[in-house]
Amino acid sequence: GQQVQQSPASLVLQEGENAELQCNFSTSLNSMQWFYQRPGGSLVSLFYNPSGTKHSGRLTSTTVIKERRSSLHISSSQTTDSGTYLCALERPTEGADRLTFGKGTQLIIQP
Amino acid sequence: EAAVTQSPRNKVTVTGGNVTLSCRQTNSHNYMYWYRQDTGHGLRLIHYSYGAGNLQIGDVPDGYKATRTTQEDFFLLLELASPSQTSLYFCASSDNRGGTQYFGPGTRLLVL
Repeated sequence: GQQVQQSPASLVLQEGENAELQCNFSTSLNSMQWFYQRPGGSLVSLFYNPSGTKHSGRLTSTTVIKERRSSLHISSSQTTDSGTYLCALERPTEGADRLTFGKGTQLIIQP
Repeated sequence: EAAVTQSPRNKVTVTGGNVTLSCRQTNSHNYMYWYRQDTGHGLRLIHYSYGAGNLQIGDVPDGYKATRTTQEDFFLLLELASPSQTSLYFCASSDNRGGTQYFGPGTRLLVL
């Protein structure tokens, strides 16, 4: 089965609302990474989060290994936050740690 | 921030054609990766390398070869391209075995 599941698949919010994106995983991990994919396709790393909570401006990432989940919270959303958010599970393998990606959450922030 | 560049940015070829995608990173990272992204599948790992001359098989390697000629350069080769290889291809690099991966801008490949 799929090792990384993201929810919701899509989310439409009004500007100023908070967004909560979830990532659940079914295998062991070294860390969870969150990426933002711009509408043009390029990927930007947001968080590298093996456990606990990390903050960056309006973004917060929380990884709880025992519960096999990671979340991304966006507070006071802006139209420029629109795009696709990807979580990726870093799993330990011989030689180099490999990423398994979720299918993404498409976020649309309306003015 | 790490600099990863890819070329070409867009490519059109025909079935059976020969295609080489190039990736260069200028931050002395040891690890480099090739992914493909398709609707409904997310990003999937094709091949990766943890140093010049090294090559490791990823999750979807069939139909692809790769070569790491230097620490900076990683190439993905499609020797007999098929329409199923139409996709958006990303290269990435990372400094350590674990750690943030930095992605290039992507190459859109269309196989007719």
